[in-house]
Amino acid sequence: GAGVSQSPSNKVTEKGKDVELRCDPISGHTALYWYRQSLGQGLEFLIYFQGNSAPDKSGLPSDRFSAERTGGSVSTLTIQRTQQEDSAVYLCASSLAGGPDEQFFGPGTRLTVL
Amino acid sequence: SQQGEEDPQALSIQEGENATMNCSYKTSINNLQWYRQNSGRGLVHLILIRSNEREKHSGRLRVTLDTSKKSSSLLITASRAADTASYFCALSGNTPLVFGKGTRLSVIA
Repeated sequence: GAGVSQSPSNKVTEKGKDVELRCDPISGHTALYWYRQSLGQGLEFLIYFQGNSAPDKSGLPSDRFSAERTGGSVSTLTIQRTQQEDSAVYLCASSLAGGPDEQFFGPGTRLTVL
Repeated sequence: SQQGEEDPQALSIQEGENATMNCSYKTSINNLQWYRQNSGRGLVHLILIRSNEREKHSGRLRVTLDTSKKSSSLLITASRAADTASYFCALSGNTPLVFGKGTRLSVIA
C-alpha cells in the first residue's frame, strides 16, 4: 500500500509569512508524529497524535507552531509568522498503534525561510 | 534526557569492511530501534530490539543490546557504497520514540 506522503516537498517563503505543511499517514495508522530536522542534526520531536486522545504538544518550540489532525487521518502543521530559524526539513511519521511501534516516515518537506 | 547518543558522530570505511555504530542511553527502555536516513529525507526503520533481547540479526545487520550498560551497537557487515547514510538509534520508553543525533557513515568504493 501507499506509504506516508507529505506536501509540498519543498517550500520557500518570506520571513513573516504563514505556512502549512501536510501529512497523509498510512491508512489505518492511529499514531502520527511531526519532527523537525535542521541541517546535519538529529530529529527534534514536535507533536504526537494518538487516536482520539489529546495530542502531545510538548515539543512545539513556540506558540507560532500548531498542528491538527482531522478525522484521525490527514494532519496539517502550521507555522505562523515564519522566522529564518524555522528553516529545516519537517518530517512526518505514522505508526500502527503508537508508543514503541515502528514508525514509517514520509519524505519530508524542506522549508526555507528567506 | 531520554535521548540516545550515537558514537562515533562520523565514520568512513572502505567497501567490504564492517561498520560498527554505538548508542548509549540513560533511562529505562521498552525497546530500541535503529533507523537509516539517506540524503536528509525520510528515515527507514532497520531493526527493533526489545529490552529482554540481547542480539538480533537482519541480513547484513547485527544489533546487540546490553541493558546493564545501557548501550546498543549496530554492526553492518561487508559494507557497500549504498550503505552510505546517517544511522539513528531511537529509544522507546513511556513516551514516543526519541531519536539521537545519528552517525554519518560513508562507505568508499
